Amino acid sequence: DAGVTQSPTHLIKTRGQQVTLRCSPKSGHDTVSWYQQALGQGPQFIFQYYEEEERQRGNFPDRFSGHQFPNYSSELNVNALLLGDSALYLCASSPLENLYEQYFGPGTRLTVT
Amino acid sequence: AQKITQTQPGMFVQEKEAVTLDCTYDTSDQSYGLFWYKQPSSGEMIFLIYQGSYDEQNATEGRYSLNFQKARKSANLVISASQLGDSAMYFCAMREGRHTNAGKSTFGDGTTLTVKP
Repeated sequence: DAGVTQSPTHLIKTRGQQVTLRCSPKSGHDTVSWYQQALGQGPQFIFQYYEEEERQRGNFPDRFSGHQFPNYSSELNVNALLLGDSALYLCASSPLENLYEQYFGPGTRLTVT
Repeated sequence: AQKITQTQPGMFVQEKEAVTLDCTYDTSDQSYGLFWYKQPSSGEMIFLIYQGSYDEQNATEGRYSLNFQKARKSANLVISASQLGDSAMYFCAMREGRHTNAGKSTFGDGTTLTVKP
């Protein structure tokens, strides 16, 4: 039973560029949440998707957008990258009937230069 | 607004001894869940233990137990018989609402635990 997978594992981008991160949820999970974790801090909630729609959003600008596909996988897009966007981006999946059951992927480490 | 506070940036413990990691929380919701995660240097967030706000007994999972004091709004993690592999960052987190509409997790800033041989 595969857990949550994320790709790529590492990414280096230049300020002003755009980036897309990908996440496949754990088998049987239909809800995906994205978090940003800056170095030395706890994860910060970006948004949550289920039924292919954004359902909740944290305090992140519109440069951060997402998408969920019919197979429940998800993408996180960040436009006009800033140096401050450098962080570990974590994806977590849950079954809709129990959002307390949340499993995290290994993360994508994004470096913006 | 929900908030998690972890006041210990770093903790040291001798191998085979017990250690308590502190966590206090703030919420106005009556239904919530409290979680502890372990994050090794590899970055993956590993679930350790969960406590529901209506649970009367403290949660236990192997060497992990959660000391839940609702009136004090604290949810401390106790690790018994520490092992070298327990060295990692530990995060306390909370999700508000019932299971079906708990939207997001709020995390503390973490405690770095170092187990000494």
